Amino acid sequence: DGGITQSPKYLFRKEGQNVTLSCEQNLNHDAMYWYRQDPGQGLRLIYYSQIVNDFQKGDIAEGYSVSREKKESFPLTVTSAQKNPTAFYLCASRGHATEAFFGQGTRLTVV
Amino acid sequence: AQSVTQPDIHITVSEGASLELRCNYSYGATPYLFWYVQSPGQGLQLLLKYFSGDTLVQGIKGFEAEFKRSQSSFNLRKPSVHWSDAAEYFCAVGSVSGGGADGLTFGKGTHLIIQP
Repeated sequence: DGGITQSPKYLFRKEGQNVTLSCEQNLNHDAMYWYRQDPGQGLRLIYYSQIVNDFQKGDIAEGYSVSREKKESFPLTVTSAQKNPTAFYLCASRGHATEAFFGQGTRLTVV
Repeated sequence: AQSVTQPDIHITVSEGASLELRCNYSYGATPYLFWYVQSPGQGLQLLLKYFSGDTLVQGIKGFEAEFKRSQSSFNLRKPSVHWSDAAEYFCAVGSVSGGGADGLTFGKGTHLIIQP
């Protein structure tokens, strides 16, 4: 079935450690997005990519990095510069004039 | 800049009663409007969307929404709620192009509680 797969579902990070969240889609969508979700804050855009090898910062990009080497993949790295990384992270993709399709999310916790 | 306001953080409804969740948006062009639902610890599932045409749109699970351009609103309704409707509901606005400059902009969500 077509869709978006995020892994892992749960991730634990130690202080000062970088971690990478995986996002893969087989919907043949050009655009992919990473959102961060905190209680009462809704979804806030971290990074987005409209085509391979190109990506743009969203509203809260500091402390995060991404790559888009393949159309299907858009991994997010949470770096040690992100001081408050504990959150629920959602990946999405979108085709032309369609809705966004979401993965099941990754819950990141600092230990 | 585009924005979405969901004025109700929490709403409590009795099972079997009707429901209306409010959504107001600010957008510089013709908006694409969406309602998503999220169960705890899960991703977002699309309930319905408005692109053009009939301003009353039908979605899954018996939900409908009405686009009112004059009021910049896109309220979600259901005539009779079920306990399984308890969840977080998000309204979103997006660009026509699909990719757009910033994807979809979301409201902060409305938490729906169903009383037996």
